Amino acid sequence: DAMVIQNPRYQVTQFGKPVTLSCSQTLNHNVMYWYQQKSSQAPKLLFHYYDKDFNNEADTPDNFQSRRPNTSFCFLDIRSPGLGDAAMYLCATSSNGGGEETQYFGPGTRLLVL
Amino acid sequence: GQSLEQPSEVTAVEGAIVQINCTYQTSGFYGLSWYQQHDGGAPTFLSYNALDGLEETGRFSSFLSRSDSYGYLLLQELQMKDSASYFCAVRDGGGGNKLTFGTGTQLKVEL
Repeated sequence: DAMVIQNPRYQVTQFGKPVTLSCSQTLNHNVMYWYQQKSSQAPKLLFHYYDKDFNNEADTPDNFQSRRPNTSFCFLDIRSPGLGDAAMYLCATSSNGGGEETQYFGPGTRLLVL
Repeated sequence: GQSLEQPSEVTAVEGAIVQINCTYQTSGFYGLSWYQQHDGGAPTFLSYNALDGLEETGRFSSFLSRSDSYGYLLLQELQMKDSASYFCAVRDGGGGNKLTFGTGTQLKVEL
């Protein structure tokens, strides 16, 4: 089945230690998104790639970076994680080709910062 | 700025009908989506309204009034498995079809 895959499902890192979260998709969608979701809050968009074009949200901290080496893969890099960065990180994709433009979400990676 | 307001929590009994409201103020609007998210899970798409009116998909229906900047999700014949968080989200129509999510409504279905 076509899907959005995130690895790992749980990630523990130390304060200030760089960490990378991974997302891959078999849907061949041209848009990929990274969201941060804290407990009992809505998903908050960090940035998205429209094909190879990177689009950063104005309030996304510089500590967060992203890479999309090809259509299938997208990475979220947190350069110096702080305690406040502990959250669920959700990757999503969409085709942006018409219709309802549904976003398809991966299962998320829960990040714990010690 | 963008803001979408929803009730924080709704409780209903199994078999009942429940309506979750969403009011929005956004700089751009191309449509209103609804997503369901179970605890610890990923959001999953439920419905989308680009035009005014009611869209029905099985037990779930969604309504939009663009002139009132208002929409709702209607869940019928509630089941225990419907206990989850429900988010409305505005599609702003920019390149990449960004979504801005509402505050979320926690639905608890009781016996």
